[in-house]
Amino acid sequence: QQQVKQSPQSLIVQKGGISIINCAYENTAFDYFPWYQQFPGKGPALLIAIRPDVSEKKEGRFTISFNKSAKQFSLHIMDSQPGDSATYFCAARGGNKLTFGTGTQLKVEL
Amino acid sequence: DVKVTQSSRYLVKRTGEKVFLECVQDMDHENMFWYRQDPGLGLRLIYFSYDVKMKEKGDIPEGYSVSREKKERFSLILESASTNQTSMYLCASSGTTDNEQFFGPGTRLTVL
Repeated sequence: QQQVKQSPQSLIVQKGGISIINCAYENTAFDYFPWYQQFPGKGPALLIAIRPDVSEKKEGRFTISFNKSAKQFSLHIMDSQPGDSATYFCAARGGNKLTFGTGTQLKVEL
Repeated sequence: DVKVTQSSRYLVKRTGEKVFLECVQDMDHENMFWYRQDPGLGLRLIYFSYDVKMKEKGDIPEGYSVSREKKERFSLILESASTNQTSMYLCASSGTTDNEQFFGPGTRLTVL
């Protein structure tokens, strides 16, 4: 069963624009919500993460917005750059396991 | 820098062969994980281990087994490879006190 639903599957954004990726979860026991970034030929790497007691976390151009009542969280990439072109995965932790979303392939065009 | 290495980047095997995928981490992490990554399905957890000789099934353990004889090494075994096991396999590790999982570069396995 898909416990973490991610959308869109792919996204094309112009350089300087805002990229937004959304995730929704079902299990209220999840206690940690990371986003991973994966470049071609590489393994995923942690980008930014949030705990459910916080509604927003910002690191540079990357922001996570978290809505606990709606069981949704999203990644916003401000001033998107071609170097941000990658696949992004949201995830949710239950116990010591992560459940990942299906991924979003982001392409930032010049 | 944390390093997770996987024994092969690319592997081609025949149906019915026994396949071993090896993963080694150098950060003394307690937890190690095996995932498979398929387009449109994301990363799915096959097995994980939180200590030497300990293992737990993930979401898709069927057709796989694992071995963890040493803390730094976690092996994924396909007892009899099948074509539907053609995939990208990712190993990861994490400590008990931090949340971040560190991933290896992956092994792209093709079963013919």
